[in-house]
Amino acid sequence: DAKTTQPPSMDCAEGRAANLPCNHSTISGNEYVYWYRQIHSQGPQYIIHGLKNNETNEMASLIITEDRKSSTLILPHATLRDTAVYYCIVQGYGNKLVFGAGTILRVKS
Amino acid sequence: DTGVSQDPRHKITKRGQNVTFRCDPISEHNRLYWYRQTLGQGPEFLTYFQNEAQLEKSRLLSDRFSAERPKGSFSTLEIQRTEQGDSAMYLCASSLQRDSGGYTFGSGTRLTVV
Repeated sequence: DAKTTQPPSMDCAEGRAANLPCNHSTISGNEYVYWYRQIHSQGPQYIIHGLKNNETNEMASLIITEDRKSSTLILPHATLRDTAVYYCIVQGYGNKLVFGAGTILRVKS
Repeated sequence: DTGVSQDPRHKITKRGQNVTFRCDPISEHNRLYWYRQTLGQGPEFLTYFQNEAQLEKSRLLSDRFSAERPKGSFSTLEIQRTEQGDSAMYLCASSLQRDSGGYTFGSGTRLTVV
């Protein structure tokens, strides 16, 4: 079973930051937080992952709370092409990904 | 090497027929995964290989399903005696065992059993 809780859907205005929350209160010390997204009819796409520290790459930023029980994925300037299902996944090193239902993000113009 | 390739992209088959899908992972990736996804659901894990060894199989993988990765490179997933409930997107992904980085997924094979 998935170890994360995400809102089923969110809306965001084009050009604004999209902040996607995720709760993972049972995360253990050696588990990473991963984010993937899936655009309609495509395979999931890796976005970012982190263990304890906040992370940033060319796609997004990942903010992990100090107690590691929740995190937020930030898309700084959302575009219509960011409309997708976003999955937050907790995974131990070397273990398989277990997907939940994710959050449907709709970016609107 | 442009990523994970899956073939075919779409397959329509009659109930009771056998089907086989192929996945070509990123060449240096030693782990290969198969997932199944039905409409409105997240992908469900089926099985994974490390090199040519099949290390884990989900209970979702009934006796009608078999997967192989004979030389630790490409993999095949066969479904025998297909049923309408097998209709789904079958996704393949690959990764490096020693890397905490993410999986790379293919675009999937959409199977429709009529």
